[in-house]
Amino acid sequence: KQEVTQIPAALSVPEGENLVLNCSFTDSAIYNLQWFRQDPGKGLTSLLLIQSSQREQTSGRLNASLDKSSGRSTLYIAASQPGDSATYLCAVSGGGSEKLVFGKGTKLTVNP
Amino acid sequence: GAVVSQHPSWVICKSGTSVKIECRSLDFQATTMFWYRQFPKQSLMLMATSNEGSKATYEQGVEKDKFLINHASLTLSTLTVTSAHPEDSSFYICSAREAGPSYEQYFGPGTRLTVT
Repeated sequence: KQEVTQIPAALSVPEGENLVLNCSFTDSAIYNLQWFRQDPGKGLTSLLLIQSSQREQTSGRLNASLDKSSGRSTLYIAASQPGDSATYLCAVSGGGSEKLVFGKGTKLTVNP
Repeated sequence: GAVVSQHPSWVICKSGTSVKIECRSLDFQATTMFWYRQFPKQSLMLMATSNEGSKATYEQGVEKDKFLINHASLTLSTLTVTSAHPEDSSFYICSAREAGPSYEQYFGPGTRLTVT
């Protein structure tokens, strides 16, 4: 059974700092890995999707990497801003199923 | 592109009544739709997977008779919470996937259900 773990559970940083969020998964047979952002009381906003054959994806100040063999992914946020404050969720699909398995998220607070 | 909507965005109902939540893919045909439930400060838990024209596949522990899912067209799936109780109060989110190899799911904005 696939399990996804995100560390840390919460992170508070000053504005402008670069930061890394971590995601690990137990079954390396994945189709893809997605990073989402969720604001309080809101739905999910997809940030980056990495296919199993890819090593990384970039969008603006965000860069996500994937090391399938070790079951790890990182989300790098450059020059953080208060507007980046949200919960970041990592999810993987695979193992013969298209179902997404989510981690519990990292709650990020960027202080002005 | 790839927009998914949900209606209503929030609903309050009394115990014992039934509530229907709609999930629509606005600009693509969704061969598969998923329904998730999220408790406060918890992550998303998959409730069921539905394919257009087929019966939904429910995850272990999810009551089929309580959470009725219908996926009658390639753009619409509905979740009906029957005989709702306060413990059914939660945030319900749907996602949709179009046919193809990417397996990417597009998520709706969620529906906040409060049962009084």
